[in-house]
Amino acid sequence: QKEVEQNSGPLSVPEGAIASLNCTYSDRGSQSFFWYRQYSGKSPELIMFIYSNGDKEDGRFTAQLNKASQYVSLLIRDSQPSDSATYLCAVNTIDFGNEKLTFGTGTRLTIIP
Amino acid sequence: NAGVTQTPKFQVLKTGQSMTLQCAQDMNHNSMYWYRQDPGMGLRLIYYSASEGTTDKGEVPNGYNVSRLNKREFSLRLESAAPSQTSVYFCASSASRGSYNSPLHFGNGTRLTVT
Repeated sequence: QKEVEQNSGPLSVPEGAIASLNCTYSDRGSQSFFWYRQYSGKSPELIMFIYSNGDKEDGRFTAQLNKASQYVSLLIRDSQPSDSATYLCAVNTIDFGNEKLTFGTGTRLTIIP
Repeated sequence: NAGVTQTPKFQVLKTGQSMTLQCAQDMNHNSMYWYRQDPGMGLRLIYYSASEGTTDKGEVPNGYNVSRLNKREFSLRLESAAPSQTSVYFCASSASRGSYNSPLHFGNGTRLTVT
């Protein structure tokens, strides 16, 4: 089992709809969670981070964390063509003082005009 | 504000050749990292430097060496390149490694091909 799993996609969503991206992780001790967006041929850029159970909203983006079920999701409301990218989930775990950030392989999202 | 700057952007090497990837950040960050990104594998940590003067191995350190030259600069060296090192390399920095909500800032990447 991979430490951080994401559906590779592609996920196609009509413009204006809600895009839902999911990520599951295996280490129950994981403490903080990040979503990065990566346009083709570009570097990852941070969209949001979350470390408490529940929802965190920032503009059109909402991160949701459920530690009991070990999943974190990203919702994108009112999807725009400019949201078409690969979304990387990253999970941070601190174990005996050692910090480890593990990335998923990413979900490719396509917004259809 | 340049952020994290990597050079070169592209490089083609023959098997056995050596090269150094350069990285510099101007955000006064303490921690710096080198990742490689391969299709289907995600981002994997090669080496990191939690603070100036320290370096540690990441998930895939074999075949690489690093130098934290000062607080701003962190270089990655391939002593004898192999085709398995064909990848996209990203340098990143963060305010600190110990802070769990200290996000990474990435450079623009180096696309390396080893033939």
